[in-house]
Amino acid sequence: AQSVSQHNHHVILSEAASLELGCNYSYGGTVNLFWYVQYPGQHLQLLLKYFSGDPLVKGIKGFEAEFIKSKFSFNLRKPSVQWSDTAEYFCAVNANNQGGKLIFGQGTELSVKP
Amino acid sequence: EAGVAQSPRYKIIEKRQSVAFWCNPISGHATLYWYQQILGQGPKLLIQFQNNGVVDDSQLPKDRFSAERLKGVDSTLKIQPAKLEDSAVYLCASSFGTGVRTIYFGEGSWLTVV
Repeated sequence: AQSVSQHNHHVILSEAASLELGCNYSYGGTVNLFWYVQYPGQHLQLLLKYFSGDPLVKGIKGFEAEFIKSKFSFNLRKPSVQWSDTAEYFCAVNANNQGGKLIFGQGTELSVKP
Repeated sequence: EAGVAQSPRYKIIEKRQSVAFWCNPISGHATLYWYQQILGQGPKLLIQFQNNGVVDDSQLPKDRFSAERLKGVDSTLKIQPAKLEDSAVYLCASSFGTGVRTIYFGEGSWLTVV
């Protein structure tokens, strides 16, 4: 069965620190990859997505992610975090043969200290 | 544009009672999803509709959960009878079509079963 693993459950950083959140998936076929963010009390919002092409994708708010097919990974990065980035981050995978179904990781809670 | 609307936002019920959640997707979106998000976990797909037909309900506990989308627009998710382990956020989402599409999420309906 397909699965998505996010290695860090809770990350605490100071403002201006660099961020990298890990995401690995298990599926041998073609995948589409997503990062969603959920700010406190708000709905899930799309940060960025990868369908094909350049494996380095840029999203909103200065986030980027790199798809490394050989490592089955899609890590999220931001060079300098802000207090307003405090949120929960979810990696999700869609297998090309499974319609619109998303498989989510368990989420990483990011706390940024001012 | 208006987002995915859900109600009620919060519900507390006793075990063995029933509850229903309503969702109105973004106008024009043919695909509607219900996800269950248990605290500390990522969302899990319960059911996917394409217009008023079911595309995937493989993870819907059909002995107690039911969902319908009679006119291909709004949808209702029902739980009867509820169990303690049904305590979760029920997320409705929609997308323009099936397959590789951006999926938009509602704010969720928080259910506590006591």
